[in-house]
Amino acid sequence: AQTVTQSQPEMSVQEAETVTLSCTYDTSESDYYLFWYKQPPSRQMILVIRQEAYKQQNATENRFSVNFQKAAKSFSLKISDSQLGDAAMYFCACRTSGSRLTFGEGTQLTVNP
Amino acid sequence: EPEVTQTPSHQVTQMGQEVILRCVPISNHLYFYWYRQILGQKVEFLVSFYNNEISEKSEIFDDQFSVERPDGSNFTLKIRSTKLEDSAMYFCASNSLLETQYFGPGTRLLVL
Repeated sequence: AQTVTQSQPEMSVQEAETVTLSCTYDTSESDYYLFWYKQPPSRQMILVIRQEAYKQQNATENRFSVNFQKAAKSFSLKISDSQLGDAAMYFCACRTSGSRLTFGEGTQLTVNP
Repeated sequence: EPEVTQTPSHQVTQMGQEVILRCVPISNHLYFYWYRQILGQKVEFLVSFYNNEISEKSEIFDDQFSVERPDGSNFTLKIRSTKLEDSAMYFCASNSLLETQYFGPGTRLLVL
């Protein structure tokens, strides 16, 4: 079983600035995957970025990047050049191969113009 | 780009009634899931389905719930006798062997 913790219920950032959302997780498995999902007001779950635990290199998708610290079981999301459309609830999630996703509590991100 | 679809987008029902939520996963995916999200809370796993049978279920998924893949494309969640606390957003998700789960847009269920 996995647990995922997001300790920041809310974060805010100025447009064009950078923000980092924190996530820690715990799993006894050695093979697992980590994800960040974005949930806008429509409540659709949109994949932002994914990281395989066996990869040392941090994943990057355009303005989104992660800082994956395997020993510390930390998986933070960095959003660069924040845009108004980035405002949403962000969920960190973990899963082992073939199993369920376990989600954190979420971080509500506000982007100020 | 292929996507998971869900119907209906909204459902209002009376307590004690049966509801069926429908999902069409991405066509080459093998693993199917239902999750729910009560308003203001995190997303919770309900059940996973692989090779025409339940592979895992949570403690939430009691005898009131059932899943079915009646044909090669649909994947349904049935709630036999709805309770007020079943009001939530229900998400269907699917993945291939490549491990990323893709979510449908959700069905917003309101039990009165």
